[in-house]
Amino acid sequence: ETGVTQTPRHLVMGMTNKKSLKCEQHLGHNAMYWYKQSAKKPLELMFVYNFKEQTENNSVPSRFSPECPNSSHLFLHLHTLQPEDSALYLCASSQDRAETQYFGPGTRLLVL
Amino acid sequence: KNEVEQSPQNLTAQEGEFITINCSYSVGISALHWLQQHPGGGIVSLFMLSSGKKKHGRLIATINIQEKHSSLHITASHPRDSAVYICAVRSEVYGGSQGNLIFGKGTKLSVKP
Repeated sequence: ETGVTQTPRHLVMGMTNKKSLKCEQHLGHNAMYWYKQSAKKPLELMFVYNFKEQTENNSVPSRFSPECPNSSHLFLHLHTLQPEDSALYLCASSQDRAETQYFGPGTRLLVL
Repeated sequence: KNEVEQSPQNLTAQEGEFITINCSYSVGISALHWLQQHPGGGIVSLFMLSSGKKKHGRLIATINIQEKHSSLHITASHPRDSAVYICAVRSEVYGGSQGNLIFGKGTKLSVKP
């Protein structure tokens, strides 16, 4: 399997649930990203990992918790989310921070 | 005001038409990206450019650094070109570090057969 994959593709959760989004890249890239895309709004950067170290947290609420156990995998742990957190969550990777980013298909999240 | 503005927001064209999508930005940049997002959500990078012009098949991207403006052109448009086209700029950050991507809201293109 090649490229950037994300699971699950769709997720419905209640505000008290805990769930995790998974991203995997098979491109040998060193940088990985989480983005949020809400309706009618531009893509918003959430987190950046470079060589497994978190280098950016773009003022994201603590109910979103990223984890990067190795350079190929990135998780986004979700707990006590709010309905306004419903959005498309996109993962991306790049060889380094300055290079072209390759995006996964996204996880469409609905918080009830 | 957004740092990256795209126009138009929505565009409907007939198959075969020449299409232009515009992007203006207000920050100093090291590079500009054009991305394509299909209805399923997946995003594909089309171009990364910092000067001049790039061409790939029927797609052409140009950038004018002095005017802080870029255009994406599609020649001989086809219904399969229907997608959202997103402009993103990588901001300049002094001191050797790389800025993050700043995204426009996108232009939704619909090409009718």
